[in-house]
Amino acid sequence: DIQMTQSPSSLSASIGDRVTVTCRASQSIGPYLNWYQQKPGKAPKLLIYGASSLQSGVPPRFSGSGSGTDFTLTISTLQPEDFATYYCQQTYSSPLGFGGGTKVEIK
Amino acid sequence: QITLKESGPTLVKATQTLTLTCTFSGFSLSTSGVGVGWIRQPPGKALEWLALIYWDDDKRYSPSLKTRLTITKDTSKNQVVLTMTNMDPVDTATYFCAHSRVLRYPPPEMVWFDPWGQGTLVTVSS
Repeated sequence: DIQMTQSPSSLSASIGDRVTVTCRASQSIGPYLNWYQQKPGKAPKLLIYGASSLQSGVPPRFSGSGSGTDFTLTISTLQPEDFATYYCQQTYSSPLGFGGGTKVEIK
Repeated sequence: QITLKESGPTLVKATQTLTLTCTFSGFSLSTSGVGVGWIRQPPGKALEWLALIYWDDDKRYSPSLKTRLTITKDTSKNQVVLTMTNMDPVDTATYFCAHSRVLRYPPPEMVWFDPWGQGTLVTVSS
């Protein structure tokens, strides 16, 4: 199985900050990487698919980059509604595994 | 607008079989490139992908759970059913179904899940 490792596991940030979340795959997965946002008690929401394609309706302050084993989710200017847990998911091979999550909290 | 909703028992006993139904609207599971997947999340833990069924009835299962899972679709009812046998307390989780898009070419296929249902919490008692 391909292991997905996210870092950090949590971070504190202020409104307006630029935030970066990293996801590393245990082997090369090309661009087969999705990012999701999950708020407490809610279902995950797709932000980015194919490593860098912004899902329709998602604000452009979210962006994804990377290929191979190293990927990044960036929030350019953190907004109050962005405080949540973020998960990466590889879809290169089965099982379609998720990372452990990164919780973005208010500083 | 695409919506999905999970239904099934909230409590099952160990060794029993769990049957969950995903009822959806806003899309057809006979449309090329469309699928429905199941994902679960134990309380306070990360997400775990379980299974995926495509418009052409092709199916994918998590290898670690493959012997316990069956996914089927009823296109006329707009439903997807997941069964999981031999339930254990460690299977206690919120179970989500999600609409999926898939691009098969060039291989390997590219898949993403959006939107998701609200989820249903299933507790397994010993």
